[in-house]
Amino acid sequence: GPKVLQIPSHQIIDMGQMVTLNCDPVSNHLYFYWYKQILGQQMEFLVNFYNGKVMEKSKLFKDQFSVERPDGSYFTLKIQPTALEDSAVYFCASSLRGGYAEQFFGPGTRLTVL
Amino acid sequence: AQSVTQPDARVTVSEGASLQLRCKYSYSGTPYLFWYVQYPRQGLQLLLKYYSGDPVVQGVNGFEAEFSKSNSSFHLRKASVHWSDSAVYFCVLSAVPAYKVIFGKGTHLHVLP
Repeated sequence: GPKVLQIPSHQIIDMGQMVTLNCDPVSNHLYFYWYKQILGQQMEFLVNFYNGKVMEKSKLFKDQFSVERPDGSYFTLKIQPTALEDSAVYFCASSLRGGYAEQFFGPGTRLTVL
Repeated sequence: AQSVTQPDARVTVSEGASLQLRCKYSYSGTPYLFWYVQYPRQGLQLLLKYYSGDPVVQGVNGFEAEFSKSNSSFHLRKASVHWSDSAVYFCVLSAVPAYKVIFGKGTHLHVLP
């Protein structure tokens, strides 16, 4: 079936550095999402993105976070600067439609902030 | 507030046995419910979904789930599990507009060969 890819699978960086997480969504999908899962905790919604704009974001989506998808390339999540509490697995998802449409998830990027 | 509870963090069953993974939700309106499965080092894959109609919904690989409004539940079932069903199963509620979803903590299923 359709697949979402995430690059890299694991990223280790020092606190205060910038990191960019990349997501290659399903090719004809129009809606994009990021979720955060801290080890042992629930997966939580961060942000969704459509037509070049952030549609909705949660309180976890701090000012240090930003998303973009320039020219139909990767859908990216940038964190600048990173903090220790940003260590988590970040999942990207995409869907053809919004609302309650099925979301297709990537395998996640494990981010470790030292 | 909306919430999803999966009361069993881990479930172990023998191959060929029947399975039920429990899910309780809290939401005052009409819930849209999903079950996803996550195999090691892979993304979440949709097993089945419930929007309305028949409360028993069929999914892939022999899975089914039953929605109960009176019990606020959406339990996942399978008549006979296979060792390859070992994975983490997430119950998911989409109950607000604008694309947000609420995940349960997941249930680790371990099938003994």
